[in-house]
Amino acid sequence: EVQLLESGGGLVQPGGSLRLSCAASGFTFSSYAMNWVRQAPGKGLEWVSAISGSGDSTYCADSVKGRLTISRDNSKKMMYLQMNSLRAEDTAVYYCAKGLSSGWFPWFDPWGQGTLVTVSS
Amino acid sequence: QSALTQPPSASGSPGQSVTISCTGTSSDVGGYNYVSWYQQHPGKAPKLMVYEVSKRPSGVPDRFSGSKSGNTASLTVSGLQAEDEADYYCSSFAGSNNVVFGGGTKLTVL
Repeated sequence: EVQLLESGGGLVQPGGSLRLSCAASGFTFSSYAMNWVRQAPGKGLEWVSAISGSGDSTYCADSVKGRLTISRDNSKKMMYLQMNSLRAEDTAVYYCAKGLSSGWFPWFDPWGQGTLVTVSS
Repeated sequence: QSALTQPPSASGSPGQSVTISCTGTSSDVGGYNYVSWYQQHPGKAPKLMVYEVSKRPSGVPDRFSGSKSGNTASLTVSGLQAEDEADYYCSSFAGSNNVVFGGGTKLTVL
């Protein structure tokens, strides 16, 4: 069974940094692209970033470009999201989501349960 | 303001069919066959129901079907069941490695 477990969320002050992690199990991790998708409280979904199975290619929404950086360690079956210069509008549940192939396509299945990031002073 | 436009709500009685629309532009929905639909129950993670306009992942009932015409995509749920009550989100590739979502539709089973 595919399992994705996010961690690293919490309360951070504006301008601060945080690193989210996603631990994967139940599939050949390096064979699949991975994604981060977020959902502000009571709001809709927003795609954040993606990384190919090999890690050679990364993709990022314009709203977070230059502040949020995706990476992965295939030997540890882990994906990360380094979040810098955080703003109040970054407050959201951050979901880790698996792609359906090694190359990146814009669909995600399954998703983890999410980790809440709150940016507030 | 979401990039894709969905009706805020939809409803139907058990056994009936309901269709949820998702309207974009020629730069997203109309320009690519890369539309997907997600179901989200309260407090739960989203679940992929349809991808590449009309394909269903393994395990998704064939009561769920997707289609597209021009700049509008649609998700039809046939034979409505109580467990179908949830929020539904559409998404589309929007070029330049960008993905946009709709604002979501709350489906109520009467």
